[in-house]
Amino acid sequence: DGGITQSPKYLFRKEGQNVTLSCEQNLNHDAMYWYRQDPGQGLRLIYYSQIVNDFQKGDIAEGYSVSREKKESFPLTVTSAQKNPTAFYLCASSMVGAHTEAFFGQGTRLTVV
Amino acid sequence: AQTVTQSQPEMSVQEAETVTLSCTYDTSESNYYLFWYKQPPSRQMILVIRQEAYKQQNATENRFSVNFQKAAKSFSLKISDSQLGDTAMYFCAFAEYSGAGSYQLTFGKGTKLSVIP
Repeated sequence: DGGITQSPKYLFRKEGQNVTLSCEQNLNHDAMYWYRQDPGQGLRLIYYSQIVNDFQKGDIAEGYSVSREKKESFPLTVTSAQKNPTAFYLCASSMVGAHTEAFFGQGTRLTVV
Repeated sequence: AQTVTQSQPEMSVQEAETVTLSCTYDTSESNYYLFWYKQPPSRQMILVIRQEAYKQQNATENRFSVNFQKAAKSFSLKISDSQLGDTAMYFCAFAEYSGAGSYQLTFGKGTKLSVIP
C-alpha cells in the first residue's frame, strides 16, 4: 500500500539531547513537509523540500534541521537549541504544485523531559 | 507571509443539521489554491475539499461544499446532514507559489467541530 510513514508514534527524550524523527513515503512524491502542531496553534511549517538535496525553511525553522538525501525520506532533527520541543509533529508529502493534495503521516508525539 | 484565519475555535451542531465553518485568508497573488482538511481524534489529516482560485464555481464533495468569495478572501465550508463521524478539527489551508519552484501550504489554527446526537 502506498502511503507516508512516521516513526515512532511516541518519543521521549531528555532535555538537551538531539532527536531525529523519521518520515518515509512510497508515493513517488517530490515534495515533503514537516509541520508542528500545538494546541490552539494549528499546523506551523518547519521545513519543506521540493526536490532531493534541496530544502527551505518554513515559519518556525529555528532549532530544527532536515536532510533530503533520498526522494522517499525526509528526517527531522530536533536539536537542543529548540526551546520548547514538546509537540506533535506531522510529516506530509505531495506532488509539486500548489493545487496538489498533501498526504499526511500519522504523526509523532515528542515529549522532552 | 500568507495568513489564514479561522475565527471560530469551537462549534457544535446537531446530528443531521447543517453547519458552516469560516475561513479568511490574506494574499496579494491572484493564482492560488484553498483546501479544507479534517483531523479526527485519530489525528490523521484527511483532505475534505479543494478549490482553485481561478474557478468561480464553488467546489462540492457529497455533503461538503464551499462558499468561495475571492474579492472578500473568504472560503467557508458547509457541512450538510451532519454525521457523528464529522466530529473533528477542521483546518483551512492555502497554497501559493513561493518562488524557486516551491509551493508553501499554510494552515489556519483550526475549528473544533462537535456533532451532537
